This record gives sequence, C-alpha cells and structure tokens, in this order.
Amino acid sequence: DQQVKQNSPSLSVQEGRISILNCDYTNSMFDYFLWYKKYPAEGPTFLISISSIKDKNEDGRFTVFLNKSAKHLSLHIVPSQPGDSAVYFCAASAAGTASKLTFGTGTRLQVTL
Amino acid sequence: KAGVTQTPRYLIKTRGQQVTLSCSPISGHRSVSWYQQTPGQGLQFLFEYFSETQRNKGNFPGRFSGRQFSNSRSEMNVSTLELGDSALYLCASGGPGGLVAEAFFGQGTRLTVV
Repeated sequence: DQQVKQNSPSLSVQEGRISILNCDYTNSMFDYFLWYKKYPAEGPTFLISISSIKDKNEDGRFTVFLNKSAKHLSLHIVPSQPGDSAVYFCAASAAGTASKLTFGTGTRLQVTL
Repeated sequence: KAGVTQTPRYLIKTRGQQVTLSCSPISGHRSVSWYQQTPGQGLQFLFEYFSETQRNKGNFPGRFSGRQFSNSRSEMNVSTLELGDSALYLCASGGPGGLVAEAFFGQGTRLTVV
C-alpha cells in the first residue's frame, strides 16, 4: 500500500525552464511533507518542507505547494540548473511520529543544456 | 562537523547468514532512524531510536532489529538473510528535538545477499 506516490519516474527539463515534480498521498493523518534530493552513491539531502497549515513554502529557487483537499503536493524549481539533475523523493510524516517518514518512489530529474 | 557515518559501505552475505550494520550520527544528535531502499519499494522506514530507546517502528519482520548505545551510535541487525534483503540501508541522524527537517542521511550500506 503506497501511501505516498510519485507517478512520474523521470522528468527531463531544459536548463533555465521550470521543473515541476508531483507527489500524491492517501493518508489523511500526514501533516508534514518534505522533499529530498539524492545523487548516486550519496544519501538523500533535505531540500524543503511544508506543514499542513500552509499551502506554499519558498526557499530560493525551490517552492513547494500543498493542496490538502486533493492530497497533492508539488515541487517547483525555477530556473532549473544542470546541478539539479538527481532523484527527488517526496516524504510525509504524521503527527506524533515526526521522525517516521513515508517516502515516495522518487522522480529522476534530468536538466539538459 | 562530521556527517553521518555508516559502516561498512558494501557488504556481501550468503542467504541464512546474519549481518550487523553500524551508524554514527552527527555529534550531538540523539535520534537515529534506519531506512531500506530498494528499486521497487523506494525508501521504507525500519525503526528509529532516541536516547537508546526505540521510538518508532516500521512494518518489517522481527528478523530486523536495532539498538542504540549511550553515545548515540546505532546498529541494525538482520538475521537469517533472504535474497530480498538486498538493498541500500540508510541511516538518518536527527537533532535533539527529533525534528524531521533536521534529518541528515549517511551514504548508506549496500547489502547484497547471494
């Protein structure tokens, strides 16, 4: 039972354009959402997060949007850079189990020149 | 400061054997979580230790166990290895409050069961 889903296994975007990575969840108990970036042979690196009391959070080129009614979140990267090429994981946690993250299966982003 | 250190980086074991993986968290961090990453399932939560106590547990069989020492270092053990246990095992270190956003991952231990 995949409670966090990333339906696009891969995405290719031109440098300078916007990258939009999507994530859906089914568990209504989730109240905190995160995005991690992972390069080969490295552990995931925290990118940005959002609490369920918000619908948007920005950090530089990265913005996460949360639509609670649709149980959907997205990560926007503007402008995309070649160094952004990596696998992006969406993760969620529920109140009371903040350290127990449920991850999606990841989306491989390739930013081309 | 030093990051999360996992040892060994690579391991090959035979079915039926047992294995112990080690994780040293960032200095001052008291929370250590373990995850299994496989191509088909993504990252799945195994368990979390905080101040030597298991605080959360995922849906893995009892063959998977862990512990945490007084210096916050953690070990996980897998007994009676199966081929399906082949995976990348990741350890994450969290700050004193165990805030999710402060989870820092190690590079992982790649376990291959043959």
